[in-house]
Amino acid sequence: QSALTQPASVSGSPGQSITISCTGTSSDVGGYNYVSWYQQHPGKAPKLMIYEVSNRPSGVSNRFSGSKSGNTASLTISGLQAEDEADYYCSSYTSSSSHVVFGGGTKLTVL
Amino acid sequence: EVQLVQSGAEVKKPGESLKISCKGSGYSFTSYWIGWVRQMPGKGLEWMGIIYPGDSDTRYSPSFQGQVTISADKSISTAYLQWSSLKASDTAMYYCAKTWSSSSLDAFDIWGQGTMVTVSS
Repeated sequence: QSALTQPASVSGSPGQSITISCTGTSSDVGGYNYVSWYQQHPGKAPKLMIYEVSNRPSGVSNRFSGSKSGNTASLTISGLQAEDEADYYCSSYTSSSSHVVFGGGTKLTVL
Repeated sequence: EVQLVQSGAEVKKPGESLKISCKGSGYSFTSYWIGWVRQMPGKGLEWMGIIYPGDSDTRYSPSFQGQVTISADKSISTAYLQWSSLKASDTAMYYCAKTWSSSSLDAFDIWGQGTMVTVSS
């Protein structure tokens, strides 16, 4: 069982917006602004999409945005495109043993 | 270009030892954390541990503490992940990755290509 809880799957049609949630506790998501999101296509290494809750690395589309409320962080993808179909993982720093934990991952299907 | 290049796939028997590597280039290797992430077949990402090559400060996930050893040789800009006695359950893809910031260990912006480790009798 992962320390952070994500829905197993979400889906949306091209052009729509979807949101993926990532729920933790006050010891991780709720306690720190150190939430990151990764995109992973099959057979590929993960790619950083969001860091520190809402910051986008250079080169990441502004269709991707992040936010946090309490112990739940969210990744929103607007204007869904076929290439967005992938697995998405959140991660957070945790005060428990000063390390980082990942969520279980969410499979995004673009219908 | 900033990149991490990992060593090749390995096939080992249970009980054998193994050390895989991750060579950084294109940036100051001693100034950023390097972490290791496990992905078992068909499963999600698991954060194993991280090292700061500048001073060898190392942190482990409780799930991996005592199971693996993370080290680095800053003279050749290379980080390592090693096992003293492999188990079949260690079969997985292992990724190394560097943190985006030198002062925090929370987000990985550059990833290696992965090293597939297969443990089978």
